[in-house]
Amino acid sequence: QITLKESGPTLVKPTQTLTLTCTFSGFSLSTSGVGVGWIRQPPGKALEWLALIYWDDDMDYSPSLKSRLTITKDTSKNQVVLTMTNMDPVDTGTYYCVHRRKYDYHVDYWGQGTLVTVSS
Amino acid sequence: QSALTQPASVSGSPGQSITISCTGTRSDVGGYNYVSWYQQHPGKAPKLMIYEVSNRPSGVSNRFSGSKSGNTASLTISGLQAEDEADYYCSSYTISSTLETVFGTGTKVTVL
Repeated sequence: QITLKESGPTLVKPTQTLTLTCTFSGFSLSTSGVGVGWIRQPPGKALEWLALIYWDDDMDYSPSLKSRLTITKDTSKNQVVLTMTNMDPVDTGTYYCVHRRKYDYHVDYWGQGTLVTVSS
Repeated sequence: QSALTQPASVSGSPGQSITISCTGTRSDVGGYNYVSWYQQHPGKAPKLMIYEVSNRPSGVSNRFSGSKSGNTASLTISGLQAEDEADYYCSSYTISSTLETVFGTGTKVTVL
């Protein structure tokens, strides 16, 4: 049974750096084809891909946010960490950790999401 | 990469069938059979309902079906039920992003 859970601050100030951790179980990020990523959703708005990291350390980022994002993995801890610099109120939203297999192009498992508010 | 275009809202009465469209381009929906659909109830994470245009994951009701014609994909919900009231998002493989997938704008389904 695959599960993912996000953790991190619920409130960050403008210009600060956000660090979110995804802790997962039921699979290994050392298994060929496996990827873990982050998707966010501003209140009342659509879903947006942020970043993805694969078993082979390949990483992909949203072109519009690439300069602000870093995704890393710790296979031994079953964790993936996303950092986003220079946070702004428009970055307020729910951040989801997800499981996606390379070449599948759909998300089969989602975390429950964590709401991050950016406000001074 | 622009989001795929969906109608903002679709409604129907219980028992009816409704269809949600998802329009893209030849760089995404029209060029590849990697369209997926997600259902999202308020305050909940999205749930995969359809993948690769028309495939249902295990456990998803056969009242949900997907199809594609040209640059437009569609999700049909037959025998509409109150529990189907939710937001629905399409997604497609795209050659226009290194992340390889793009989401739609989302559709609110209301059961009258």
